[in-house]
Amino acid sequence: SQQGEEDPQALSIQEGENATMNCSYKTSINNLQWYRQNSGRGLVHLILIRSNEREKHSGRLRVTLDTSKKSSSLLITASRAADTASYFCATDAWSGGGADGLTFGKGTHLIIQP
Amino acid sequence: GAGVSQTPSNKVTEKGKYVELRCDPISGHTALYWYRQSLGQGPEFLIYFQGTGAADDSGLPNDRFFAVRPEGSVSTLKIQRTERGDSAVYLCASSLTSGSYYEQFFGPGTRLTVL
Repeated sequence: SQQGEEDPQALSIQEGENATMNCSYKTSINNLQWYRQNSGRGLVHLILIRSNEREKHSGRLRVTLDTSKKSSSLLITASRAADTASYFCATDAWSGGGADGLTFGKGTHLIIQP
Repeated sequence: GAGVSQTPSNKVTEKGKYVELRCDPISGHTALYWYRQSLGQGPEFLIYFQGTGAADDSGLPNDRFFAVRPEGSVSTLKIQRTERGDSAVYLCASSLTSGSYYEQFFGPGTRLTVL
């Protein structure tokens, strides 16, 4: 079963614009991660945010986490054609003997128009 | 260098046949994970190993699926009596050790098609 739901399912923007994707999840978590997947490079880890953090930055990426709303957002600033890919949020089970396997959402397909 | 490698990259088989999918993790990574990704969906967790033992196999859909990691390195996912619904991309990932704070590095996947 999939815990996360990304929104929107698809997003098309012009190069240079900012892209925002959202993720909602259902159960308590230790941390939330964002991954990117494209045909050229497979699934690549972008950023991890812990449950006690509210915001994290990495280069052009900004991630927020609101555990009270069980939601996260990924902002990509100054988008480039190479950012075209599918983006997934992934959560772990809250520790307590749960699995270390990640639970992924269905993804947001981002297209950057040149 | 090495990243996670998976073989074969593509596998076409007939319904009812047995298949084996191989994963070679990053050297030194003790945790290994198998996921399955259907078209238009995110990866779905199947099983993970810490060392040689299956620490959690709760994601395996039924007893036709089995995975081993006899020497704590290479892993094989085995599917018996394949069904058309098993068609998907099977992804393997490894991390330095278990624990969700450790980044999982994914392989390119094996695309399984059951005719």
